[in-house]
Amino acid sequence: GQQLNQSPQSMFIQEGEDVSMNCTSSSIFNTWLWYKQDPGEGPVLLIALYKAGELTSNGRLTAQFGITRKDSFLNISASIPSDVGIYFCAGQPPGSQGNLIFGKGTKLSVKP
Amino acid sequence: DARVTQTPRDKVTEMGQEVTMRCQPILGHNTVFWYRQTMMQGLELLAYFRNRAPLDDSGMPKDRFSAEMPDATLATLKIQPSEPRDSAVYFCASGRQGVLYNEQFFGPGTRLTVL
Repeated sequence: GQQLNQSPQSMFIQEGEDVSMNCTSSSIFNTWLWYKQDPGEGPVLLIALYKAGELTSNGRLTAQFGITRKDSFLNISASIPSDVGIYFCAGQPPGSQGNLIFGKGTKLSVKP
Repeated sequence: DARVTQTPRDKVTEMGQEVTMRCQPILGHNTVFWYRQTMMQGLELLAYFRNRAPLDDSGMPKDRFSAEMPDATLATLKIQPSEPRDSAVYFCASGRQGVLYNEQFFGPGTRLTVL
């Protein structure tokens, strides 16, 4: 089946830094979604992308739906401590009835 | 503030016991999903429903898992008999699926531990 490769697996941030993560696939997707999960909670939807090339912002977060429909990235500008958590990308394959394929996640931690 | 609710939040049980997890989707959402999350496998789709009808349950072990939607406000996931390998966090998500949108909103999860 289709798979999503999400990178990096983990990263450390210092407050104020910009952060970038991405998801790639060998197959195309119709929709890309980005979620954030805090410990002990369910994933929370951050941004939804529906058209190739679409660039969408939500506060300090910006995400883009790749032109090839096989990738997406998420940027966080001027990170703050509450940005730590696990970020997941998810894509809807063509022909699916709404089900999503999830990446393995990018864990964001604060630099010691 | 509409949210997906799940009960119980935590469940510890012994191998062989029946486990029932419940989910109340967001009012007006027509699609409900059940996921399982583990460190090794990440988020796995178990089953999902649209307008209360099962669309796909190919992700579920059929011999012990069952999912139902008795009405539009309740979705259930049952495991009988439970096994230690079922220990995981189980999430319910709901959404309004359509041609123009496909967003899923997750509940807080049920953390299941099978001893």
